[in-house]
Amino acid sequence: EVQLVESGGGLVQPGGSLRLSCSVSGFIFDDYAMSWVRLAPGRGLEWVAGISWGGGNIVYADSVKGRFTVSRDNAKNSLSLEMTSLGPEDTALYYCTRKIQGVSNWFDPWGQGTQVTVSS
Amino acid sequence: QSVLTQPPSVSGAPGQRVTVSCTGSYSNLGAGFDVHWYQQLPGTAPKVLIYRNTNRPSGVPDRFSGSKSVTSASLTITGLQAEDEADYYCQSYDSSLDAYVFGPGTKVTVL
Repeated sequence: EVQLVESGGGLVQPGGSLRLSCSVSGFIFDDYAMSWVRLAPGRGLEWVAGISWGGGNIVYADSVKGRFTVSRDNAKNSLSLEMTSLGPEDTALYYCTRKIQGVSNWFDPWGQGTQVTVSS
Repeated sequence: QSVLTQPPSVSGAPGQRVTVSCTGSYSNLGAGFDVHWYQQLPGTAPKVLIYRNTNRPSGVPDRFSGSKSVTSASLTITGLQAEDEADYYCQSYDSSLDAYVFGPGTKVTVL
């Protein structure tokens, strides 16, 4: 069974940092690109960052560029998201998801998410 | 503000047909990029419902169908059921943003 389990969320003050992790199982991790997607109240889903199967190609949404860093450890079947300079606008439920690549790309499956709250 | 637009909500009685629209522009749907649809039941993670405009993953009931026409797409639920009450999101790729984009979501309510 394919599983993605996020961890590392929590309450952080504005300007602070947080590192999210995603542990995966049930598929060959280094065969797939991965992404982080967040769900903020009233704002819907927002794609945050993506990383290729080998980690050599990384892309970010403009809203997090320069502040967030995505990485992966294929030996540990693990995906990470390092978040710095956090602001209230980063408050969201963060999902780890596998990218299905082909003629076009979609995301399947998704983890259950980890909540990040930025507040003083 | 999303580059893909969806109605905030749609509703219907059990057994009725409802349609959720997703409107894009020249840099996403109009550029030929496919649209995918996700269902998010309350308290659960999003799940892909339709991929590449019209395709259903195994296990998705055939009352769900998708279509696409140039800069717009639609998700149709034929024979609405109580368990279909959820948020539905469309997703595509935008070449101007060089990013994957989601619609703001549509809440489907079963009356």
